[in-house]
Amino acid sequence: QQQVKQSPQSLIVQKGGISIINCAYENTAFDYFPWYQQFPGKGPALLIAIRPDVSEKKEGRFTISFNKSAKQFSLHIMDSQPGDSATYFCAANERGVNDMRFGAGTRLTVKP
Amino acid sequence: DTGVSQDPRHKITKRGQNVTFRCDPISEHNRLYWYRQTLGQGPEFLTYFQNEAQLEKSRLLSDRFSAERPKGSFSTLEIQRTEQGDSAMYLCASSPRTGGMLYNEQFFGPGTRLTVL
Repeated sequence: QQQVKQSPQSLIVQKGGISIINCAYENTAFDYFPWYQQFPGKGPALLIAIRPDVSEKKEGRFTISFNKSAKQFSLHIMDSQPGDSATYFCAANERGVNDMRFGAGTRLTVKP
Repeated sequence: DTGVSQDPRHKITKRGQNVTFRCDPISEHNRLYWYRQTLGQGPEFLTYFQNEAQLEKSRLLSDRFSAERPKGSFSTLEIQRTEQGDSAMYLCASSPRTGGMLYNEQFFGPGTRLTVL
């Protein structure tokens, strides 16, 4: 069922560093690409999302870069903090289709 | 708290028993989704409701699973004759009806963790 491939599975970054998580998709009909953050025992929380008509979107320390021709998008977390330690999921969705496809997740650890 | 709520948060049951979970979406959201999440994986779509109508069901939703949203507000997910493979986190999400970027935005609840012994 998975149509979104996410890498790496786990990532360790020093405080203040940049965390980069990548995703690739197959279905060219996808038109909405969100990133979710999930802490242990909690549900996923929407972090930031992008549509394919723009190549980059920034919200605070979080930036999505989108490459439509390569069918790839990535999440950049600038000035990473220990509080950012969580599992991050990319996802993709097609308008009119309610089946949101998620990547397998990246466990981020930010060391103080 | 006006977010999506789920009850119970944890459920331990014996194989063969029936279980039922409840989801209360954000009050003005007419769209409701159920997902299943196993350890180390992303959520997998199970089913979708628009108001009280169940409009989509995944192949993952076997005959032992049934979901309802009788009045277009809260929803229940029932699993009959549970199996050990049903052990997972069951997540509920809701979305508003408006268009634009909000069209796809899904707000998740905290989930119900099911353990089948």
